[in-house]
Amino acid sequence: ELQLVESGGGLVHPGGSLRLSCAGSEYTFVSYWMHWLRQAPGKGLVWISNINSDVTGTSYADSVKGRFTISRDNGKNMLYLQMNNLRAEDTAVYYCARVRYGSGSNWFDTWGQGTLVTVSS
Amino acid sequence: IQMTQSPSSLSASVGDRVTITCRASQSIRKYLNWYQQKQGKAPKLLIYAAFTLQSGVPSRFSGSGSGTDFTLTISNLQPEDSATYYCQQSYDTWTFGQGTKVDIK
Repeated sequence: ELQLVESGGGLVHPGGSLRLSCAGSEYTFVSYWMHWLRQAPGKGLVWISNINSDVTGTSYADSVKGRFTISRDNGKNMLYLQMNNLRAEDTAVYYCARVRYGSGSNWFDTWGQGTLVTVSS
Repeated sequence: IQMTQSPSSLSASVGDRVTITCRASQSIRKYLNWYQQKQGKAPKLLIYAAFTLQSGVPSRFSGSGSGTDFTLTISNLQPEDSATYYCQQSYDTWTFGQGTKVDIK
């Protein structure tokens, strides 16, 4: 059973950068599209980015486009989120998640525990 | 696509039947999933593709609906069901409802 563990969160000043990591526990990690989502304190869940299994395609929510970059290293079972030009509104718990496809639909079946990013001066 | 859940919160007793509704701003066919999130924890998948129970999830959870209107039902509510529940559409990118907080009386 795949497990995901995020790391790299912390306190950063506005305009600063941070790189989040998500470690997958098994080799099947490489077969799946992977996503980053976030949840601001006391708020709901928001999708922010995804990357396909062979690293040929990525997409981003408008709120982070041009500032965040998703990447992965399938040889290391790792997913990354490079976050630049951070703003106060980027303060949130960030989750990595795996998407599964089937039954004519798709869903997030495996989530990491989350890592907190706080953007404040 | 916007997802609207109701109610925003509810309080019910152990053994009650609880219903949460989710409405999409356009048809999403059956691209609708439900998650449970307990305080300080990551979301957990309960139901996918509108009505399919995720492996390991108790059978007191059930989902129904298609198109724009969906329902999550918890029959025989248990103390461990105290949590926030989110619907999520995966028809066009991925968006979530605002959540429904379920408290146990």
